[in-house]
Amino acid sequence: AQRVTQPEKLLSVFKGAPVELKCNYSYSGSPELFWYVQYSRQRLQLLLRHISRESIKGFTADLNKGETSFHLKKPFAQEEDSAMYYCALRSYGGATNKLIFGTGTLLAVQP
Amino acid sequence: GAVVSQHPSRVICKSGTSVKIECRSLDFQATTMFWYRQFPKQSLMLMATSNEGSKATYEQGVEKDKFLINHASLTLSTLTVTSAHPEDSSFYICSASWGSTEAFFGQGTRLTVV
Repeated sequence: AQRVTQPEKLLSVFKGAPVELKCNYSYSGSPELFWYVQYSRQRLQLLLRHISRESIKGFTADLNKGETSFHLKKPFAQEEDSAMYYCALRSYGGATNKLIFGTGTLLAVQP
Repeated sequence: GAVVSQHPSRVICKSGTSVKIECRSLDFQATTMFWYRQFPKQSLMLMATSNEGSKATYEQGVEKDKFLINHASLTLSTLTVTSAHPEDSSFYICSASWGSTEAFFGQGTRLTVV
């Protein structure tokens, strides 16, 4: 069964400190993984996807199939990074597909 | 990015009545739409996946007769909560995508059943 695990509900760091939001997944096929972000009072929006291998707002995430992880990293946190971050997995099977989410991690960047 | 609009953003209904929530993709054709339910301070729980022109695929534990999903066109999917009860009160979110692209999210609908 597909599953996405984000072990931390809350991550609090100081401005300028490195950030790593953990995400592990369980999926028997080739996963497509995403990080979504939700800023206060806004809708969910895509931050990045693993197949793009790009850096958005200074964030990067590398898919590690051996460890089944897709951790989100940023070397220097900014206050405007404070938001809810969700790791998501998209699976394809038969005539349908799914997009499932982890439980989310609230990132709080302190001044 | 593409825009997904949900309507209404808030609805209050009496117990026993039905309520319909619309999800529209405004500037693209959505071959797939996802419906989620989000409880306070919790993650998004996938309820069902709908592909245009075919029946929705419901997740385990989601009653298909209670949560009717229709995806009749490439720009519109609806979720109807039938015979709503207070325990159905929640935040319902839709998202839409075409092909294997990223999913774009609606702003959500706050349903309160009194």
